[in-house]
Amino acid sequence: SAVISQKPSRDICQRGTSLTIQCQVDSQVTMMFWYRQQPGQSLTLIATANQGSEATYESGFVIDKFPISRPNLTFSTLTVSNMSPEDSSIYLCSVGGAGTSTDTQYFGPGTRLTVL
Amino acid sequence: GESVGLHLPTLSVQEGDNSIINCAYSNSASDYFIWYKQESGKGPQFIIDIRSNMDKRQGQRVTVLLNKTVKHLSLQIAATQPGDSAVYFCAENIGQAGTALIFGKGTTLSVSS
Repeated sequence: SAVISQKPSRDICQRGTSLTIQCQVDSQVTMMFWYRQQPGQSLTLIATANQGSEATYESGFVIDKFPISRPNLTFSTLTVSNMSPEDSSIYLCSVGGAGTSTDTQYFGPGTRLTVL
Repeated sequence: GESVGLHLPTLSVQEGDNSIINCAYSNSASDYFIWYKQESGKGPQFIIDIRSNMDKRQGQRVTVLLNKTVKHLSLQIAATQPGDSAVYFCAENIGQAGTALIFGKGTTLSVSS
């Protein structure tokens, strides 16, 4: 499986500021996804990060709030903009399609965000 | 929308017992399922997967059973160990490569020694 890292691992931010989270994979992957996991909850998909084109957002998530970049097949960023305490969550990237086409997804360690 | 759900939010077992974690899904078009283990402070870790053309798949100490008739998925852990304590999620997709996963609510497994 791919080795996935995320930066930062955790952060405490002030209301109204923005934070950019990085996701790095040790091999080229077809698909990258960003999920949110609120405290004690399951994972909810934010968007699919498409290489070379705009991300595809799920219902309830918009580009202005969660801009995503994917400049190549091994890297993506998620920005949480104009943060409020409700944005306090774990943000996770996942990858799929490593090497040959596969539906299996592997997750990074997550970024734990607290907004004051 | 359709989603995957788990029957029990918590499960407590003794070390050495066998554990069974259940999951019900509602999307009849789903044909690929994954079980993940998430330890405190970590991202979900892949455990085992199964496609809808199978009823059973075994890994090391784990078995996944799929009953398409009643749309039920289960994870069996043999000889449960304290290190198995974690939150377990089932996830599904409809099998198209690159389709994002739909996650269930999670079951917290506590193993006492």
